[in-house]
Amino acid sequence: DTGVSQDPRHKITKRGQNVTFRCDPISEHNRLYWYRQTLGQGPEFLTYFQNEAQLEKSRLLSDRFSAERPKGSFSTLEIQRTEQGDSAMYLCASSLGDRVSDEQYFGPGTRLTVT
Amino acid sequence: GNSVTQMEGPVTLSEEAFLTINCTYTATGYPSLFWYVQYPGEGLQLLLKATKADDKGSNKGFEATYRKETTSFHLEKGSVQVSDSAVYFCALSNESGGYNKLIFGAGTRLAVHP
Repeated sequence: DTGVSQDPRHKITKRGQNVTFRCDPISEHNRLYWYRQTLGQGPEFLTYFQNEAQLEKSRLLSDRFSAERPKGSFSTLEIQRTEQGDSAMYLCASSLGDRVSDEQYFGPGTRLTVT
Repeated sequence: GNSVTQMEGPVTLSEEAFLTINCTYTATGYPSLFWYVQYPGEGLQLLLKATKADDKGSNKGFEATYRKETTSFHLEKGSVQVSDSAVYFCALSNESGGYNKLIFGAGTRLAVHP
């Protein structure tokens, strides 16, 4: 069990640029979640995949955000035309099941700073 | 809707002091309740969980009891250590469209001094 990994760990970009983050879940986990955490707040749900299917998107996920999970393994989260308000920690989590009691395992996060 | 409210921090304690971090929730149905911990420079880790009313979750000396009548899930530890310094998040998971997204509180920072 190598855990959930995310890349890069830190990203600094200028406003208006596009950025892409990658998440590698635990290998046998077919559920994958993206969350966003701003300073002093708890993580907020962004989107969810079951295998390669994106089943839910939060209203927080504007049209500038897109997430994919080709082949049901790793996932990418792209932000187009970044804005300063996008500065946050982007967290990925995976789980083996989708029962309400199932634990989600979190990666270390990607910290995005938009200047 | 579903929501979690936890006490604001920071909480500052001396080593071996008793810890309580309050957490209350609003949810329909039968959510599962979790405490996650975020140590400095590390990712979120599950500390403990409880899946039904009156269940007690425990781990590393921490405990929390699922109280449906008061919609609470307060975190307690009898004797804190410096190594417990971290941010603690209360969260719930509720069936929504067939999957279980987590809804987090704002987090409570704990600082333990020798």
